[in-house]
Amino acid sequence: KAGVTQTPRYLIKTRGQQVTLSCSPISGHRSVSWYQQTPGQGLQFLFEYFSETQRNKGNFPGRFSGRQFSNSRSEMNVSTLELGDSALYLCASSLGVGGDGAFFGQGTRLTVV
Amino acid sequence: KNEVEQSPQNLTAQEGEFITINCSYSVGISALHWLQQHPGGGIVSLFMLSSGKKKHGRLIATINIQEKHSSLHITASHPRDSAVYICAVRSGLSKLTFGTGTRLQVTL
Repeated sequence: KAGVTQTPRYLIKTRGQQVTLSCSPISGHRSVSWYQQTPGQGLQFLFEYFSETQRNKGNFPGRFSGRQFSNSRSEMNVSTLELGDSALYLCASSLGVGGDGAFFGQGTRLTVV
Repeated sequence: KNEVEQSPQNLTAQEGEFITINCSYSVGISALHWLQQHPGGGIVSLFMLSSGKKKHGRLIATINIQEKHSSLHITASHPRDSAVYICAVRSGLSKLTFGTGTRLQVTL
């Protein structure tokens, strides 16, 4: 059974650009959650999607958005990138809302220069 | 004050030692998770607890709902256990809130 796949693994972007990250959940999982991890703030919840609907949202500005497709794959988008957006972005998939038994991807390391 | 506090922040142990990592939280929760993160970033979900105790191999996790406290124990520690251990709590179906992590180094 394939794990959670995140693409790309590494990304370098310039301030002001926008970026789209992708997460393919484990087959059969319908919930995808996104997290940001930085050395200063640790792990922080971004949002959670279930059946193409956003179910939970963290305290991030509107520049951070996401969506989920009918096959449960999810994308997150960050517009007008800032240096502080440099982080490891992790997604996790689970069967249902709440992330119980969540499986994490390897993450996308975004560097904004 | 953070909603989730972990201690210690850093821990060095010799191979074979018994290790305890603590997590205290200040809100009512529906579940508590213990996560393991190795260098390179990959995260593994170790346990999800809502009461009592769970065991998997050399790892044991306990939770005391009344005291709002959980512990992760590692018996017979090994260098491959070296990682960051993160506690996270969830209230109802709301977002996960994470502790800052405990960095464990197990030496030979």
